[in-house]
Amino acid sequence: GESVGLHLPTLSVQEGDNSIINCAYSNSASDYFIWYKQESGKGPQFIIDIRSNMDKRQGQRVTVLLNKTVKHLSLQIAATQPGDSAVYFCAETRSVSGGYQKVTFGTGTKLQVIP
Amino acid sequence: DVKVTQSSRYLVKRTGEKVFLECVQDMDHENMFWYRQDPGLGLRLIYFSYDVKMKEKGDIPEGYSVSREKKERFSLILESASTNQTSMYLCASSSSGTGAGYGYTFGSGTRLTVV
Repeated sequence: GESVGLHLPTLSVQEGDNSIINCAYSNSASDYFIWYKQESGKGPQFIIDIRSNMDKRQGQRVTVLLNKTVKHLSLQIAATQPGDSAVYFCAETRSVSGGYQKVTFGTGTKLQVIP
Repeated sequence: DVKVTQSSRYLVKRTGEKVFLECVQDMDHENMFWYRQDPGLGLRLIYFSYDVKMKEKGDIPEGYSVSREKKERFSLILESASTNQTSMYLCASSSSGTGAGYGYTFGSGTRLTVV
């Protein structure tokens, strides 16, 4: 069946180091992949996305890498800061019957930044 | 600043009660969604709406219904609350001009406990 999952439920990183959060997916028909950040007591917030025909996309301090061969997605955060502490979700979207797009979310990885 | 507002942050209800969760967005978005978020399961779509008075079942609609009488408001109804509906409920909205998952603005969530 389809799934979007994360390899590590909790990741602890020293402040200033780089963080890498991983995600595995199983649906080859996915159109886009998205990373969300959810801080405590808040709803998820969009961070960065990548189309299925791309391998890499960079934002401010964040980079998303897509490896379609092994169906793997990663989020890299450079120079991790205490404000980066949150739960990070990957999500994949694909077109389904009826003209809608279905979004499937991963289970989340908690990033803890150690000062 | 654009907003999705959920009427309650915390709610405690008794088994068998009828429960209303309200969500209001001020962005004139066409699309609105209700998700529930449970540890280890990620976000699961309950219902969504792409227009006023329109609703579509998501992945887990059983035990829930929705109402969208006005564009800005999307209500989730638990007809007869049960303990397995204890969860965090997240409302989201997006514009039809954006792809699924993008431009998703989430509310801060309602943590519902059914006793």
